[in-house]
Amino acid sequence: DAGVTQSPTHLIKTRGQQVTLRCSPKSGHDTVSWYQQALGQGPQFIFQYYEEEERQRGNFPDRFSGHQFPNYSSELNVNALLLGDSALYLCASSSESPEQYFGPGTRLTVT
Amino acid sequence: AQKITQTQPGMFVQEKEAVTLDCTYDTSDPSYGLFWYKQPSSGEMIFLIYQGSYDQQNATEGRYSLNFQKARKSANLVISASQLGDSAMYFCAMRGGNTGTASKLTFGTGTRLQVTL
Repeated sequence: DAGVTQSPTHLIKTRGQQVTLRCSPKSGHDTVSWYQQALGQGPQFIFQYYEEEERQRGNFPDRFSGHQFPNYSSELNVNALLLGDSALYLCASSSESPEQYFGPGTRLTVT
Repeated sequence: AQKITQTQPGMFVQEKEAVTLDCTYDTSDPSYGLFWYKQPSSGEMIFLIYQGSYDQQNATEGRYSLNFQKARKSANLVISASQLGDSAMYFCAMRGGNTGTASKLTFGTGTRLQVTL
């Protein structure tokens, strides 16, 4: 049973560029949530997708957008990258039960 | 608004000893859930244990137990018989809203646990 997978593992981008991160949920899970974890801090909720729609959103600017596909996989897009966007981006999947299972994360560095 | 407070930035424990990691929370939701996650240096958040606000008994999962004191709004994690592999960051998190439905998690700042010989 495959767990949550994310790609790529690491990414280096330049200020002003755009980036797309990908997530495949755990088998049987239909809800995907994205979190940003800056160095030395706890993860911060970005948004959550269910049935291909954004269901909840945290306090992040519109530069952060997402998508969920019919197979429940998801993408996180960040436009006009800033140095402050450098962080570990975590994807979590869940279903009807309350537990959320996280992937290994994508470490984004903006230079 | 929900808030999680973890007051211990770092903790040390000797191998085979038990350790308690503190977590207090604040919420206005009548129904909520509390989680503990382990984050090794690799970065992956590993789910450890879950406690629902209406659960009558404290949750246990192997060597992990959650000491849930609702009146005090605390949800401390107890790790028994510590192992070297337990060295990691530990995060307490909370979910508000209806029980059983996925909702955003609010995390604390974490506690770094170091297990020594």
